[in-house]
Amino acid sequence: GAGVSQSPRYKVAKRGQDVALRCDPISGHVSLFWYQQALGQGPEFLTYFQNEAQLDKSGLPSDRFFAERPEGSVSTLKIQRTQQEDSAVYLCASSLGSPDTIYFGEGSWLTVV
Amino acid sequence: EDQVTQSPEALRLQEGESSSLNCSYTVSGLRGLFWYRQDPGKGPEFLFTLYSAGEEKEKERLKATLTKKESFLHITAPKPEDSATYLCAVQDSGGYQKVTFGIGTKLQVIP
Repeated sequence: GAGVSQSPRYKVAKRGQDVALRCDPISGHVSLFWYQQALGQGPEFLTYFQNEAQLDKSGLPSDRFFAERPEGSVSTLKIQRTQQEDSAVYLCASSLGSPDTIYFGEGSWLTVV
Repeated sequence: EDQVTQSPEALRLQEGESSSLNCSYTVSGLRGLFWYRQDPGKGPEFLFTLYSAGEEKEKERLKATLTKKESFLHITAPKPEDSATYLCAVQDSGGYQKVTFGIGTKLQVIP
């Protein structure tokens, strides 16, 4: 595709509900990243995939957060039993593998009420 | 642990008033330093990558420079459309592809 596509763009979840956020990276991009951005803050690293392999998940804040990329293309970030502190923008990014071409999607805005 | 500190947190300029944004960083080994622009409600938009001290890159009214401890984003004769948050990020040569961001500088250019 022309760019990184994320859905849904906006999600309101009730506390305790499970949510799934989808990322469609640029076609052919090997590397895929998830970041969390709170209001007024910079993006915080969550996890990184190289093809289908999750090579770094050191930024996932708790075991309620889970990410997958089963076929090395589309990725899903799942948050179980959402809490208010999970409210943030979740950014997906992809690259061919070189560090200087990381392209971000528009983000999925999650509000937990 | 990699650290990125950006200053100032906010900057208000008159149209045409040149200035610089600062990014100080700490990494064990630098693979690359990145500048992004982020508009409200949008994802970060890639601007530049710098790899080694002394390197400079330019794009329109923006020029990025790099030393061993910091980077500057110089804005020459800014226009209102340059208003955005500018994010600095670093990638450590020792890790995988993790990129660490600063909190950004929110720039407002007044006509």
